[in-house]
Amino acid sequence: DIQMTQSPSSLSASVGDRVSFTCRANQTIINFLNWYQHKPGTAPKLLMYAASTLHGGVSSRFSGSGSGTDFTLTISDLQPDDFATYYCQQDFSIPFTFGPGTRVDL
Amino acid sequence: DVQLVQSGAEVKKPGESLKISCQASGYNFASDWIGWVRQRPGKGLEWMGIIDPADSKTRYNPSFQGQVTISADKSINTAFLQWSSLKSSDTAMYYCARRAASTGHYYYYMDVWGRGTTVTVSS
Repeated sequence: DIQMTQSPSSLSASVGDRVSFTCRANQTIINFLNWYQHKPGTAPKLLMYAASTLHGGVSSRFSGSGSGTDFTLTISDLQPDDFATYYCQQDFSIPFTFGPGTRVDL
Repeated sequence: DVQLVQSGAEVKKPGESLKISCQASGYNFASDWIGWVRQRPGKGLEWMGIIDPADSKTRYNPSFQGQVTISADKSINTAFLQWSSLKSSDTAMYYCARRAASTGHYYYYMDVWGRGTTVTVSS
């Protein structure tokens, strides 16, 4: 199985900040990497696929980069609605494992 | 609208069986795989497995193989997740999600999610 790690596990930020966090796979996943946003009591929401392609309707304040084993999600101009947990997921080989998540707190 | 509607919360005792459902609407159910994801209390998301509703072919996370059964009935646009003998460690929120493809069917992602079914297993 491909193991996914994310860092940091949590971070504190303020409205208007630019934040970045990383996702790492223990073997190459090329760019078969998805990012999701998850808030308590709600369904996860797809933000990005193919490491850097924004899903329809997602704010352009979100951007992704990376290939191979190392990936980054950046949120610019952090908004109150962005405080959530962010998960990466590899879609390269089954099982399509998630990372442990990065929680973004106010 | 494309949506997945999951069955309601369940409270069960250890050893009991359970089958939860995920009904799709707004798209051709047979055209996209459906996946199941577990979230234990206070923990992250875990990918359990997927099913192709067109032919009920399944692929499981080895961690869940033999512990759950994923099935689908395309005549009623519904996928299922079932347990034959629940354990307290099965207490979790369970999400179903559509595994859709990008243009060209090269990249895949879970783009539509159900709201989750809470399963509580307690004596």
